[in-house]
Amino acid sequence: KAGVTQTPRYLIKTRGQQVTLSCSPISGHRSVSWYQQTPGQGLQFLFEYFSETQRNKGNFPGRFSGRQFSNSRSEMNVSTLELGDSALYLCASSVRTGRDTGELFFGEGSRLTVL
Amino acid sequence: KNQVEQSPQSLIILEGKNCTLQCNYTVSPFSNLRWYKQDTGRGPVSLTIMTFSENTKSNGRYTATLDADTKQSSLHITASQLSDSASYICVVSPQGYQKVTFGTGTKLQVIP
Repeated sequence: KAGVTQTPRYLIKTRGQQVTLSCSPISGHRSVSWYQQTPGQGLQFLFEYFSETQRNKGNFPGRFSGRQFSNSRSEMNVSTLELGDSALYLCASSVRTGRDTGELFFGEGSRLTVL
Repeated sequence: KNQVEQSPQSLIILEGKNCTLQCNYTVSPFSNLRWYKQDTGRGPVSLTIMTFSENTKSNGRYTATLDADTKQSSLHITASQLSDSASYICVVSPQGYQKVTFGTGTKLQVIP
C-alpha cells in the first residue's frame, strides 16, 4: 500500500512569489492535514480537510490556504512568500473513526526555502 | 487552552543506555496519545498509541506509559542504538472534531 506522497520534495522561491504544494493521501484515507515545521517552533498545525471540507484551521495568516479534491488529494498554497515561510511542510492522512482523529500517517514533506 | 509539554528539550546518551522522555498535557476531553519518531528531514512515524484505559504499551525497545489522572506520559527507550537518534514527538488527540495538539519534541542523540 503506497504511503502519503508529497510533491515537490524541495523547492526554492523568492520573496513575493507564491507556491503550491501537493499531497496524495493513502488510499481510503479521507482526512488530510497540513503542518509547518521550523527548527524553533516544532510542528504547527495549518489546516485539516475531510471529504473536501475544511474541518479545522490553525493560527496562520490568510496567505496560507488549502483545498481538497474529490479523490482526497489535497493542495496548499502560500501567496506573497516571506522569508519566515521557509520550512518543512508536512502532510498527513488519516482514517477518521467516528468523530476522533485516527493515526496520522505523514509524508516526507516539502522543504521550502524562500530567498 | 490545549497544550502538550515535553521534557527534556534535548538529550545525549551513550549507545546501550536507557532513557526516558516525558510528556505532560492539558488536552480535554482526552481521546488518545501517540508518540512519534522523526528522523532528521523525514516525516514523523508513529511508535505507540494509548487510549484512556491503557497505562502501558510496548513496541520493541520502546515502552510508553500513560497516567490519565495526572495527564502525564513517558516514553522509555531500552538499550539505545545509534538509529534511535531522532526527535520524539508527543501528540494528543481530543475527542470530537478538535485538532490534535503536538508537543515541541525531544531531540535525542545517541553517541557511540
